[in-house]
Amino acid sequence: AAGVIQSPRHLIKEKRETATLKCYPIPRHDTVYWYQQGPGQDPQFLISFYEKMQSDKGSIPDRFSAQQFSDYHSELNMSSLELGDSALYFCASRDRGVSAGELFFGEGSRLTVL
Amino acid sequence: GENVEQHPSTLSVQEGDSAVIKCTYSDSASNYFPWYKQELGKRPQLIIDIRSNVGEKKDQRIAVTLNKTAKHFSLHITETQPEDSAVYFCAASKPGRRALTFGSGTRLQVQP
Repeated sequence: AAGVIQSPRHLIKEKRETATLKCYPIPRHDTVYWYQQGPGQDPQFLISFYEKMQSDKGSIPDRFSAQQFSDYHSELNMSSLELGDSALYFCASRDRGVSAGELFFGEGSRLTVL
Repeated sequence: GENVEQHPSTLSVQEGDSAVIKCTYSDSASNYFPWYKQELGKRPQLIIDIRSNVGEKKDQRIAVTLNKTAKHFSLHITETQPEDSAVYFCAASKPGRRALTFGSGTRLQVQP
C-alpha cells in the first residue's frame, strides 16, 4: 500500500541557509500535518493543511512557511536556519472524510544544521 | 491549547510481565486518543486508538482504557516481549481535523 513519501530523507545545511522539505500524502488523503521531533523529544506540531488551505497552526517559527499544492503534496520551507532547527521532521496525512482518525506518518526528513 | 502529560518516562519490565502507561489530557473537547510506537530513528506507528464514546478497547495483547470524567487514558500491554521495546507516545486531538498533541513519551525496555 502507498505510504506518505517525504524527501529528502537526510539534509545537511549551514547556519543561516534555507531548506525545503517535501511531503506526498497517501492518495485520497486531504489533510497534511507537519511535525518537528528533536532528539529524545515528542513530536511537536508545526502546521497543517486541509484541502490546500492552512487549517491549524502550532509552534511553527516565523522563519518557516509551508503550503499545500493542487496535487495535495506539501512543502515546508525553512529559512535562516539555526542549530536548534536540527531535528527529524515528519509529515503525516489523514484520510479524506475522517475528521478524527489515524495520522499516517512518513519516514521523516532528518535535518542537520552545522 | 491541549496539554497531554504522560508517565512514566521510562519503564523496564521482565519479558512476560505487563506494562502500563498513563496519560492525562487537559481539554475536555478532545475526542480521539491514539497510541503510537516509535523505534529509534523511525516514524511513529499507530498501535491502538480509542474514541471518546468508548471506555475500553482491546487488540490481542494491547488494550486502552479511557476515563472521560477524569480525563485520563492508559495503555496496557500484557505478556510483553523484547520486540515491544520502543518509545510509546499517547496523543489527543479535538474534532474537526485538529492535529494530534503528543505526550512526552515512555521508553519501554523489556528485559529477556
